[in-house]
Amino acid sequence: DIQMTQSPSSLPASVGDRVTITCRASQTISTHLHWYQQKPGRAPQLLIYAAFSLQRGVPSRFSGGRSGTDFTLTISSLQPQDFATYFCQQSYSSPPTFGQGTRLEIK
Amino acid sequence: EVQLVESGGGLVQPGRSLRVSCAASGFSFDEHAMHWVRQVPGKGLEWVSGITWNSGTIVSADSVKGRFTVSRDNAKNSLYLQMNSLRPEDTAMYFCVKDRVRWSSGFDAFDIWGQGTMVTVSP
Repeated sequence: DIQMTQSPSSLPASVGDRVTITCRASQTISTHLHWYQQKPGRAPQLLIYAAFSLQRGVPSRFSGGRSGTDFTLTISSLQPQDFATYFCQQSYSSPPTFGQGTRLEIK
Repeated sequence: EVQLVESGGGLVQPGRSLRVSCAASGFSFDEHAMHWVRQVPGKGLEWVSGITWNSGTIVSADSVKGRFTVSRDNAKNSLYLQMNSLRPEDTAMYFCVKDRVRWSSGFDAFDIWGQGTMVTVSP
C-alpha cells in the first residue's frame, strides 16, 4: 500500500496567515492526490482534486502544489472558518490511502 | 441537491453481523463508483471498500477483507455494506462516499460524503 505522510500534525496559526501543509507519498502517484477539510462533528469535504484543481465552490485562497512525491496545500490568507483538520488522499493505486491529518489551530 | 444518507448503524456484539445502507439522491448514482470510509471519533480516515459504477470492480481494505462486503443496487440508488464477524476495532463512524469521476474503472477523489452512521462493537 502507498503510505501518505502529512506534516505537520498540528499547526498553530492566526487569521490572515499564509499556511502550507505537506503530504509525502511513499512512491510515485503522479497527480492522483486530493485534499479534504473536516470540521468537528462534520463529514470531510473535498477541497482540491488531482493535486491542483479547486473543487467547485471552494474559495480561491486554497491552492495545491506538487514537487515529485511531495504535495502541498496552501491557504493564502487564513479565515476563521479555515480552522479545521486537513487530510490528503491518494487514488493512484488501490487501496486508496489517507494521510494522518493536520489540525490547523488558532494560535 | 446531491445527498447521501446512511442508515443501519448501532450497537452490536463482537462476532455478530450488521448491514449499513446508503440512499443516494440528486445525481446519477449508476454512473459513479461508491465507497465506504470509516473514522474512529477524533482519529484519521480509513478507506474500507469501494465498488465501481457497474460493480465490475470491488475492492476492500485488508483489515476487513473476508468479513465485509460492499454491494449496490443501481435501480434503488442504494449502496450497502454487509459487516460480518464484527470486532471491537471496527467501532467507527461509517461514511458513504461518492467518487468524483463518471464511468471509471478505477477510483478517484471523493466529492460527496454522507453524514455517517455510527457502528459500535461492544459486549
